[in-house]
Amino acid sequence: DAEITQSPRHKITETGRQVTLACHQTWNHNNMFWYRQDLGHGLRLIHYSYGVHDTNKGEVSDGYSVSRSNTEDLPLTLESAASSQTSVYFCASSELDGGSLDTQYFGPGTRLTVL
Amino acid sequence: AQTVTQSQPEMSVQEAETVTLSCTYDTSESDYYLFWYKQPPSRQMILVIRQEAYKQQNATENRFSVNFQKAAKSFSLKISDSQLGDAAMYFCACPGGSQGNLIFGKGTKLSVKP
Repeated sequence: DAEITQSPRHKITETGRQVTLACHQTWNHNNMFWYRQDLGHGLRLIHYSYGVHDTNKGEVSDGYSVSRSNTEDLPLTLESAASSQTSVYFCASSELDGGSLDTQYFGPGTRLTVL
Repeated sequence: AQTVTQSQPEMSVQEAETVTLSCTYDTSESDYYLFWYKQPPSRQMILVIRQEAYKQQNATENRFSVNFQKAAKSFSLKISDSQLGDAAMYFCACPGGSQGNLIFGKGTKLSVKP
């Protein structure tokens, strides 16, 4: 079955280190998204991509970057991890061309702790 | 800007009973989908049900149904015959506009009592 996976599931790192979270989907979806989930904020958009070599900033993109070299993967990089980036990170993909008539499917999440 | 409001931070229901979770939203889109996601302790975001806003008929998925009032921008989730496995956080979501993302409410934590 097609799926979306994230790795690692848990990560502890130190302030100032570079961290990369992986996201891989086998649905062949063009659209991929990264969200972070914090208590009291629900899920907020970090970055998104509509296809290979396309990346865009979301609501809370400062301190994060993404690259899209193929359809299946959208890794999220924290250039210099900060304690404020301690959160649960979700990757999602969607089947159509984005917009309001589309359905997103989520990966299992990565819990990141920055000490 | 699109917003989603879930006014019930926590709800509780007796096993086998029915519970309704509330959601209101605001969007500038004319045609759109609305969603309820379930997040159990495993953290996985699971799609529970989707409502197509251009359809008047309320969506149903087994024990889960919605009461969709487009004019009022209200989108509540009804869970019938509640089961212990229904205990989770439930998030309502609507399209976020040009970015293609979803806007989520802050969630309702549902407890199911045996």
